Amino acid sequence: NAGVTQTPKFRILKIGQSMTLQCTQDMNHNYMYWYRQDPGMGLKLIYYSVGAGITDKGEVPNGYNVSRSTTEDFPLRLELAAPSQTSVYFCASKLETGLRAFFGQGTRLTVV
Amino acid sequence: GQQLNQSPQSMFIQEGEDVSMNCTSSSIFNTWLWYKQDPGEGPVLLIALYKAGELTSNGRLTAQFGITRKDSFLNISASIPSDVGIYFCAGLNSGGSNYKLTFGKGTLLTVNP
Repeated sequence: NAGVTQTPKFRILKIGQSMTLQCTQDMNHNYMYWYRQDPGMGLKLIYYSVGAGITDKGEVPNGYNVSRSTTEDFPLRLELAAPSQTSVYFCASKLETGLRAFFGQGTRLTVV
Repeated sequence: GQQLNQSPQSMFIQEGEDVSMNCTSSSIFNTWLWYKQDPGEGPVLLIALYKAGELTSNGRLTAQFGITRKDSFLNISASIPSDVGIYFCAGLNSGGSNYKLTFGKGTLLTVNP
């Protein structure tokens, strides 16, 4: 059972470039999340989804977009990368009725 | 929005010592969760607390859900080197908003052997 899988693990982007962070889970969880973790800070919610076809903004959505065409996948898109988006990004999922959120291993993104 | 204040920000202790950290909130949560993050990994759930006043243990870990539902603490007894990591508290509300998991800023724990 793979759980939550994120790719890539590391990426360096130039200012203005775009990229997609991939997240997939094989637990049939309907809730999925994207968080960012800045040094010395907790996890801030970027976007979340309560099921396929449904997404909504979290605390810090600016500069990001998401889609949820299937239950398994929840990609995060950066259209015009900025240095302020340098961070570690975590994808997580959980059952609607569950308390335990399962996290991926993270994607470390540097924008230069 | 809801904010969680977690303290201390960091701790340096000797192996064998006990550790205590806590989390307070400006608003009520129905569930408190404690996560641990190892270096280079995502957070992993340690303990979940479901009702006010609840005291729950998981091995050397003990956590309590405050009776006001606005705070929680985590104790680690007889620390060992593998306890090193960042510990996060998180609050969750049930019902229509139970998707929203709010995290504290974390407590960085260093254990000197």
